[in-house]
Amino acid sequence: QPVLTQPPSASASLGASVTLTCTLSSGYSNFKVDWYQQRPGKGPRFVMRVGTGGIVGSKGDGIPDRFSVLGSGLNRYLTIKNIQEEDESDYHCGADYGSGSNFVMVFGGGTKLTVL
Amino acid sequence: EVQLVQSGAEVKKPGESLKISCKGSGFTFANFWIGWVRQMPGKGLEWMGTINPGDSDTRYSPSFQGQVTISADKSIITAYLQWSSLKASDTAMYFCARSDYSDNNGPYRWGYWGQGTLVTVSS
Repeated sequence: QPVLTQPPSASASLGASVTLTCTLSSGYSNFKVDWYQQRPGKGPRFVMRVGTGGIVGSKGDGIPDRFSVLGSGLNRYLTIKNIQEEDESDYHCGADYGSGSNFVMVFGGGTKLTVL
Repeated sequence: EVQLVQSGAEVKKPGESLKISCKGSGFTFANFWIGWVRQMPGKGLEWMGTINPGDSDTRYSPSFQGQVTISADKSIITAYLQWSSLKASDTAMYFCARSDYSDNNGPYRWGYWGQGTLVTVSS
């Protein structure tokens, strides 16, 4: 099954842009990844799904246009432009693998985004 | 409006049993997979397993197989996560989530999440 790797932390100034990275383990370059935002003390919120061709399907409810995704090789990127205070959150990536009784879902360790 | 409302926080002793719930509304419960996710204090998300309330097809993460039981009762639009004998290491926040889509492989895109149930296991 794939392993998803995320840097533990990132920071950006108010109004700036930041790109968060989720890296799939070798051999899984065709996999799609879901991004989730988790604000402090809250449950996760679906942001969007990304493959090598970019966004797959639609964004989650209420996700602003400032959020976008790209995929390249083993990396899946989430870019946030014009960062706002409310973007300070943990960002998790997840991927599903297998089928039937062998179906699993895996998450990366999450990246804590600090807005300076 | 799609909503998942989870049962309240629990404080239990090691060895006790527990069943927490996740009630859905605003959608046809039997048509969407429900998953459970653990988040230990200060840690990331861990997928525990998922159930299709329509036919009770259940898939578990190998890490949680045999440790918990996932079930659902579509007549009362509720999914459950239960333990028969809790350990201190089960102390965590537990989230239920609803998948938006599924295919031949299984569910994907977890678009709606519950508010979480905090389980504390301490002697």
